[in-house]
Amino acid sequence: EAGVAQSPRYKIIEKRQSVAFWCNPISGHATLYWYQQILGQGPKLLIQFQNNGVVDDSQLPKDRFSAERLKGVDSTLKIQPAKLEDSAVYLCASSLEDSNEQFFGPGTRLTVL
Amino acid sequence: DAKTTQPPSMDCAEGRAANLPCNHSTISGNEYVYWYRQIHSQGPQYIIHGLKNNETNEMASLIITEDRKSSTLILPHATLRDTAVYYCIVRVTGNQFYFGTGTSLTVIP
Repeated sequence: EAGVAQSPRYKIIEKRQSVAFWCNPISGHATLYWYQQILGQGPKLLIQFQNNGVVDDSQLPKDRFSAERLKGVDSTLKIQPAKLEDSAVYLCASSLEDSNEQFFGPGTRLTVL
Repeated sequence: DAKTTQPPSMDCAEGRAANLPCNHSTISGNEYVYWYRQIHSQGPQYIIHGLKNNETNEMASLIITEDRKSSTLILPHATLRDTAVYYCIVRVTGNQFYFGTGTSLTVIP
């Protein structure tokens, strides 16, 4: 079974630039999550989708972050404009609709200079 | 969801049992205890979860005290590949996971 795919694996940008990350969840997983993990901290949930609807985006900085999952499968997370404090690993995870087990992708490491 | 307290780091000799403690003194009756681990440069990986009974799977055992205020994750025969950060999470089904900073376990040859 293929795991959660993310791209790119690494990205370096300058502050005020825009960036987008892509996630392809495990086939059949209705729930998709985006997490931000700052160095030395545990992952923090940014947004949770159930199919193509948003379940929880309470910790998403909506002035600069946006996410979509148009067809209920792939998802993109965008930052516009980026700030220095956005430097982190962005993790995507997916799960079956009624499951407590989340499967994580390898993450995208973002460095904002 | 209740918060958890874990030691920041632990060492364990290869081949020995690794016992990782977690305090969750404010846990409520409908909150589950979950354990995930994160190996360096990878995403977190689910290990095990339980409500009040002890649980065992192919990876680990979870021992929850009778009052449910603490739990212990046991890796019965630690290997070098078990070196990782281990997160203890208390959560009501449907709520988000709060990972905290976890315990960094180092398995020593």
